Amino acid sequence: DADVTQTPRNRITKTGKRIMLECSQTKGHDRMYWYRQDPGLGLRLIYYSFDVKDINKGEISDGYSVSRQAQAKFSLSLESAIPNQTALYFCATSDGGNYGYTFGSGTRLTVV
Amino acid sequence: EDQVTQSPEALRLQEGESSSLNCSYTVSGLRGLFWYRQDPGKGPEFLFTLYSAGEEKEKERLKATLTKKESFLHITAPKPEDSATYLCAVQGSNDYKLSFGAGTTVTVRA
Repeated sequence: DADVTQTPRNRITKTGKRIMLECSQTKGHDRMYWYRQDPGLGLRLIYYSFDVKDINKGEISDGYSVSRQAQAKFSLSLESAIPNQTALYFCATSDGGNYGYTFGSGTRLTVV
Repeated sequence: EDQVTQSPEALRLQEGESSSLNCSYTVSGLRGLFWYRQDPGKGPEFLFTLYSAGEEKEKERLKATLTKKESFLHITAPKPEDSATYLCAVQGSNDYKLSFGAGTTVTVRA
């Protein structure tokens, strides 16, 4: 099993719909992150969490919300999806040490 | 704000043709510079962490070096399986996140 699992892998949704992307990890790390990746822009941080009771906004949090249900689970929601939220979304974990992040395989989201 | 710029955007190499990728950065108090490899349809995979100017790390045909303003990823005698997008990221003194460059997509032809 993968260390970081994201579901779904692919999703097409309509403008205005609410959608949730889920992430679970078996690394035992406290820190979890949500990034989006767009061609030519690299990975940009949406939200991050250092423990179950700690949630922080990243550089592009508008239009998104998150929930940290447990140490191992961190979900990202789009309250009312819009086409410019079409992107590849990655969840990542870290222990704050020397090996950076462990990433999931990503969710490709298309908003039509 | 931390900034990372990678060049070139794309690099096409013949098998065995060595080359280098550049990562220029500005950061307030570098805690670490990270290199990742990303294959199509997959998440980034950790390669190296560099902490101070002059440091070098190697893994198979890859070698990463660091100066005070930039890092280089050298690919020696590449093979087709080295084809991927290589991402550079920095972690500043605030310690809460990595800031990523847009990546360099390397294609190695047999």
